[in-house]
Amino acid sequence: AQSVTQPDIHITVSEGASLELRCNYSYGATPYLFWYVQSPGQGLQLLLKYFSGDTLVQGIKGFEAEFKRSQSSFNLRKPSVHWSDAAEYFCAVGASGSNFGNEKLTFGTGTRLTIIP
Amino acid sequence: SQTIHQWPATLVQPVGSPLSLECTVEGTSNPNLYWYRQAAGRGLQLLFYSVGIGQISSEVPQNLSASRPQDRQFILSSKKLLLSDSGFYLCAWSGGLNTDTQYFGPGTRLTVL
Repeated sequence: AQSVTQPDIHITVSEGASLELRCNYSYGATPYLFWYVQSPGQGLQLLLKYFSGDTLVQGIKGFEAEFKRSQSSFNLRKPSVHWSDAAEYFCAVGASGSNFGNEKLTFGTGTRLTIIP
Repeated sequence: SQTIHQWPATLVQPVGSPLSLECTVEGTSNPNLYWYRQAAGRGLQLLFYSVGIGQISSEVPQNLSASRPQDRQFILSSKKLLLSDSGFYLCAWSGGLNTDTQYFGPGTRLTVL
């Protein structure tokens, strides 16, 4: 069964500083990987996704993530955070090539990001 | 473009009362539809998914049920709510050109007292 671990429950970063949110997954084949962001009381917005090809993927709002198969990781990065980036971030893994088509996703427990001035 | 709606946005219900949450998708046909629950401080738990009208798969045993009476409508129901049903309920869809990507609605905050 697939699983996702987000080891950091809460991260605090100064505005303008760089950010890296960690995500480790467990899956037997090539996974589909996603990062979503959730503002308080809101739904989830897709930031970026990795299916295949270039292991460094660019997303919206200046975020990027790198797929590292050897480390089973898909960490999210941003070179300079803005106060509006304060939110909860979820990593998710889906199973590629299954009979279901588009997959049931397994989510991590999330990382809450706080931005300080 | 596709949009997904959920209502109500907020709901406070007494224990033992019924529940009906609605989700509709616009701008696409034959989407796959999903219901998730997000408990406080926890990740998302998939409750139900549907690949077509009348086709519902349940992921976890519980006192909730789901129905899909129309192609782009997904309903989450309960006959008698429990305190443990409190949480944030999210509907999602996938399909069209991005069959492997799920897009989420704004959610419904349910509080059972």
